[in-house]
Amino acid sequence: KQEVTQIPAALSVPEGENLVLNCSFTDSAIYNLQWFRQDPGKGLTSLLLIQSSQREQTSGRLNASLDKSSGRSTLYIAASQPGDSATYLCAVIGNQGGKLIFGQGTELSVKP
Amino acid sequence: KAGVTQTPRYLIKTRGQQVTLSCSPISGHRSVSWYQQTPGQGLQFLFEYFSETQRNKGNFPGRFSGRQFSNSRSEMNVSTLELGDSALYLCASSATGSNEQFFGPGTRLTVL
Repeated sequence: KQEVTQIPAALSVPEGENLVLNCSFTDSAIYNLQWFRQDPGKGLTSLLLIQSSQREQTSGRLNASLDKSSGRSTLYIAASQPGDSATYLCAVIGNQGGKLIFGQGTELSVKP
Repeated sequence: KAGVTQTPRYLIKTRGQQVTLSCSPISGHRSVSWYQQTPGQGLQFLFEYFSETQRNKGNFPGRFSGRQFSNSRSEMNVSTLELGDSALYLCASSATGSNEQFFGPGTRLTVL
């Protein structure tokens, strides 16, 4: 049974810092991995999608990497800003498609 | 292109009642998935519909059901509501041939 874990559960950093969020999964037979952002009480915003054959994806100040063999992904945020404050969720989808399996999220707070 | 829309945004019901939530996917998307989000359990997959057929189902009791119409709009129904059904219900859509999911703003259901 696939399980996704995110560490840390919460993180507080000063503005301008570079930071890394971690995601691990127990079954390497994934089709892709998706990172989301969720603001309080809101829906999920897709940030990056990494196909299982890819090693990383970049969008602006965000870079996500994927190492299937070790069951790990990282989301790197450069030059953090207060507007980056949100909960970040990673989710994997298996080779059979269908459902996303989510981690519990990392709540990020960027202080001005 | 308009995003995923969900109605209503907020609902208050009492135990024993039933409720119907609606989701309109991004234009051209034929796959719709539903998720339940609670503080204790996080995000959990309910079911996925594609071309009016249920393609995947999560581990929820039969009180939770759904359907999809020919225009890809989807509804989910919860009968005999329980206090534990209070949650944010999120709908996501994806394009054919892609597993990248795009989420709506959610429906906040409160059961009293």
